[in-house]
Amino acid sequence: DIQMTQSPSLLSASVGDRVTLSCKASQNIYKYLNWYQQKLGEAPKLLIYYTNSLQTGIPSRFSGSGSGTDYTLTISSLQPEDVATYFCQQYNSWPNTFGAGTKLELK
Amino acid sequence: QVQLQQSGAELAKPGSSVKISCKASGYTFTSYDISWIKQTTGQGLEYIGYINTGSGGTYYNEKFKGKATLTVDKSSSTAFMQLSSLTPEDTAVYYCARQELRVPDYWGQGVMVTVSS
Repeated sequence: DIQMTQSPSLLSASVGDRVTLSCKASQNIYKYLNWYQQKLGEAPKLLIYYTNSLQTGIPSRFSGSGSGTDYTLTISSLQPEDVATYFCQQYNSWPNTFGAGTKLELK
Repeated sequence: QVQLQQSGAELAKPGSSVKISCKASGYTFTSYDISWIKQTTGQGLEYIGYINTGSGGTYYNEKFKGKATLTVDKSSSTAFMQLSSLTPEDTAVYYCARQELRVPDYWGQGVMVTVSS
């Protein structure tokens, strides 16, 4: 199985900050990479699919980039409602696998 | 709007089975697959597999073969997952999700399954 490694595991930032979360795959996943947001007690919500495509209804402050094994989720201006855990998921190889998550909190 | 409504929490004894449901609404049920994902504090998110709701074809993560069985009832737009021979390691929140082109896009609210004697 492809291993997905997210960093950092915990990130503290202030409202208005530009925030960057990283996800690294154990092998090339050819941009088949999704990002999910999970708030406490809720189901994950799809933010970004295929590396950089914004899911319907997701604010434009969220963006994704990357290629090969290295991928990034960027929040251009952090808002209080963005406090959550963020997961990456690859779907290039079966079975789909998820990273362990980055917990984003307010400083 | 797309909604996936899952059944309620389950408390089961070791060695028993549970069957959880996922009722879809707001879209054409047979146009999308339904995937199932397990979440635990220790192991994080694990992809169990998915079912083609039109054909009934199933695709399982090797780790969950023999543990999970996926089915659908097209007449009620409902997907099911049966978990068998339960052990404490099966204690988790289980999510269903609509899946398009292998991307789980809309998720149910999750079902907590607790295995305890």
